[in-house]
Order: sequence, then structure tokens, then C-alpha cells
Amino acid sequence: SQTIHQWPATLVQPVGSPLSLECTVEGTSNPNLYWYRQAAGRGLQLLFYSVGIGQISSEVPQNLSASRPQDRQFILSSKKLLLSDSGFYLCAWSVQADSTDTQYFGPGTRLTVL
Amino acid sequence: AQSVTQLGSHVSVSEGALVLLRCNYSSSVPPYLFWYVQYPNQGLQLLLKYTSAATLVKGINGFEAEFKKSETSFHLTKPSAHMSDAAEYFCAANTGGFKTIFGAGTRLFVKA
Repeated sequence: SQTIHQWPATLVQPVGSPLSLECTVEGTSNPNLYWYRQAAGRGLQLLFYSVGIGQISSEVPQNLSASRPQDRQFILSSKKLLLSDSGFYLCAWSVQADSTDTQYFGPGTRLTVL
Repeated sequence: AQSVTQLGSHVSVSEGALVLLRCNYSSSVPPYLFWYVQYPNQGLQLLLKYTSAATLVKGINGFEAEFKKSETSFHLTKPSAHMSDAAEYFCAANTGGFKTIFGAGTRLFVKA
């Protein structure tokens, strides 16, 4: 069966510091991968998605970036965090051959920027 | 443009009562539709999905949803609420491709 991991689970960072969040998927090959942000009391905002190694599509211009160095690894980064970057970050995956693009989510990372 | 609207950011029901969470979509083509549940500080868990095979879709934990094209709706129901159903529920739609649109969510409270 497939599993998706995210770490760290929680993170408190000062404004202006760098960020690296990691997501890995097990039990599947060549998945689509997604990064979402969920602000308090709001829905999900798609940040990035990837259909393969090194292929990243950005949905929202901001100070975040994403990379996919390996097939089942997806990393969210920032060089300098802003207060507005606080939120709950969710990674998700889907099967490329699935036309419905049903997405399966990781446990999330709670980021607080102070 | 595609959109998903969840009516009611908060819904409160008594334990044992009917749960009804409303979702309407706007799309130029019939979308694939999903309901997810999120417990505090956890990721989203897929409850059920509509893929055009049947209009009434049964999911996990006793939930079901009915696709009504004429009403562009996909409401989520459960006959009898349990305390463990207290969570946030998200409706989502996808018309193909990589952009699944999520509603703003409905927080369900269950009173003893």
C-alpha cells in the first residue's frame, strides 16, 4: 500500500529565516505530487505541482519554491520566510494514469513564522 | 471558471441526528467530485468520490453523497451523527488535469 510522509510535523521559524519542508511517497512510482497551503479557517491553496523529476509548475507567485530531486520526493523551500507564510502545509500525491486525479494527502506540517 | 461553494462554514447537529453538508459546483463540464474529511492537525482523508459511474456514492464511515446535475450539487449526508464525526469537511471538484478546486470547508460540530 501507498504511504505519504511529511516532516517536520511542526516548525517555528523567525521571519527572514530559510525553510525546507520534505514530502516522500512510498509504494508507488511516478506519482503526481502537490503542495498546498491551508491558512487558518480557510480552504486549500495549491502552491505547486509536479508530474516528474525536475518538473515543477507554480500556481501562486510568492517567495516559496519547490523541487523534485527524486521520483517520490517533493521539497518546499524558501530563502526568507514572511509572516504571511504561516499556515498548514499539505503534500498530496495522485496516480498519473488516474483521469480523476484523486489526491491522497500527507499528515501536514504546521509552520509558524514569528 | 470552475468553483466549489460549501454552504455554511459551521454546521451543528445532535448526536444521532441527520448530517447534511452542502456543496455546489460551477463547471462548464461535469466534474469529478470529492468529499474529504480533516481532523484537527491532520491531513485530508478521502471520504468518497463521484466519477460518473453512479449518482449516489457511498463512502467510508457511513457517509454518502448524491450527484444532482440539474442542481449542480453534491451534498454529503449521514443518517446518524456520531461524536467522532466532528471534523472539517471539504468538497472538491476536478474537470481533468492537475487543478482540483476545493471549497472553503464546513466544520461539523456534534452535540451530545
